[in-house]
Amino acid sequence: EDQVTQSPEALRLQEGESSSLNCSYTVSGLRGLFWYRQDPGKGPEFLFTLYSAGEEKEKERLKATLTKKESFLHITAPKPEDSATYLCAVRLSPQGGSEKLVFGKGTKLTVNP
Amino acid sequence: NAGVTQTPKFQVLKTGQSMTLQCAQDMNHEYMSWYRQDPGMGLRLIHYSVGAGITDQGEVPNGYNVSRSTTEDFPLRLLSAAPSQTSVYFCASNRQGSSEKLFFGSGTQLSVL
Repeated sequence: EDQVTQSPEALRLQEGESSSLNCSYTVSGLRGLFWYRQDPGKGPEFLFTLYSAGEEKEKERLKATLTKKESFLHITAPKPEDSATYLCAVRLSPQGGSEKLVFGKGTKLTVNP
Repeated sequence: NAGVTQTPKFQVLKTGQSMTLQCAQDMNHEYMSWYRQDPGMGLRLIHYSVGAGITDQGEVPNGYNVSRSTTEDFPLRLLSAAPSQTSVYFCASNRQGSSEKLFFGSGTQLSVL
């Protein structure tokens, strides 16, 4: 069964304390991995798309990387405004089936001042 | 641009009642979709549409109906609400050929008693 697993479920950091969030997947027919940010009471907001192993994308303090089996979202010197839930999703094109997007459960990040 | 607008923000129903969640987008996106988000689970696709007059089922379609009479609007109908449909519902839209960059509404929190 296709699965997307995010870890940890929750992460508390002090302002300036860098860390990484993980998204691992066991899927066939991967056609892209995506990161979204979700603030409380809001819908997810698109951050990055990664298509192939070795690819990296950066935006401000965030950098997303992709290997054959997992993706990391690195947060460098985070600020309290980076506090949010970060969602990972993979786009699949399974044999004999239609393309679909599978979301992980998310990692809730809290950055304390 | 308002983006994706969902109404209502909150709703409480009794078991067996029906209602329609409204979704409208002003970005002229071809694709629209409905997701539900439950605690401890990833976003799950309910129904989607690739254009006016065309809809299809997602991962969890039972108990829901959709229609797409215009490009802008994509309402979700609960036919006979059940407690299992208590969830947060998100509408999303995206441009054809950019299925990973979804634009989400701010969600509807639905409780079925």
